[in-house]
Amino acid sequence: GAVVSQHPSWVICKSGTSVKIECRSLDFQATTMFWYRQFPKQSLMLMATSNEGSKATYEQGVEKDKFLINHASLTLSTLTVTSAHPEDSSFYICSAPPAGSLEKLFFGSGTQLSVL
Amino acid sequence: AQSVTQLGSHVSVSEGALVLLRCNYSSSVPPYLFWYVQYPNQGLQLLLKYTSAATLVKGINGFEAEFKKSETSFHLTKPSAHMSDAAEYFCAVSGRTGNQFYFGTGTSLTVIP
Repeated sequence: GAVVSQHPSWVICKSGTSVKIECRSLDFQATTMFWYRQFPKQSLMLMATSNEGSKATYEQGVEKDKFLINHASLTLSTLTVTSAHPEDSSFYICSAPPAGSLEKLFFGSGTQLSVL
Repeated sequence: AQSVTQLGSHVSVSEGALVLLRCNYSSSVPPYLFWYVQYPNQGLQLLLKYTSAATLVKGINGFEAEFKKSETSFHLTKPSAHMSDAAEYFCAVSGRTGNQFYFGTGTSLTVIP
């Protein structure tokens, strides 16, 4: 079946540094990918929709300059947390629908970010 | 726009008892509805989904859910809880077109031996 690979699975960084998270669709093309953020014991909050070849669409309240999204190819979207701070520590999950169909949505395994 | 509401952030059941996790949706158009399970520090696993075929949907691990348009509900059930069912469960909704996919606030299921 379709697989979405997310890397790294966990990362620890110093405050002020930037961290890049990759989301790859391994056996299908994804013109759209979704990025979610999840705080401990809370739900997944949609941060942004990544669109191949165009700008990402951010949800209200999400800082575009803080969370840079690049969807450079049909199989890769990246989320860069710039100048990370401890409050950015969270679990980040990407997902992608094959052929743009929301009926089938595959999730990455998530990235646990800890900012010291 | 679509949204889902999960009633009860925490549910506890005895092993072998019925599991009922509630989800109500709001949508101006016929939605797709999903239930996902998340184990600690892991990603999401799809349990089942409703995409306008049969209203009673059977999923993995013995779970099922029934789409009730009149009640705008999509509750998740399992006849007999196992210890391994303890996890976080999320209801989600999407439109049939566009790029909107939203999760409920989640329900933490505890199974008591």
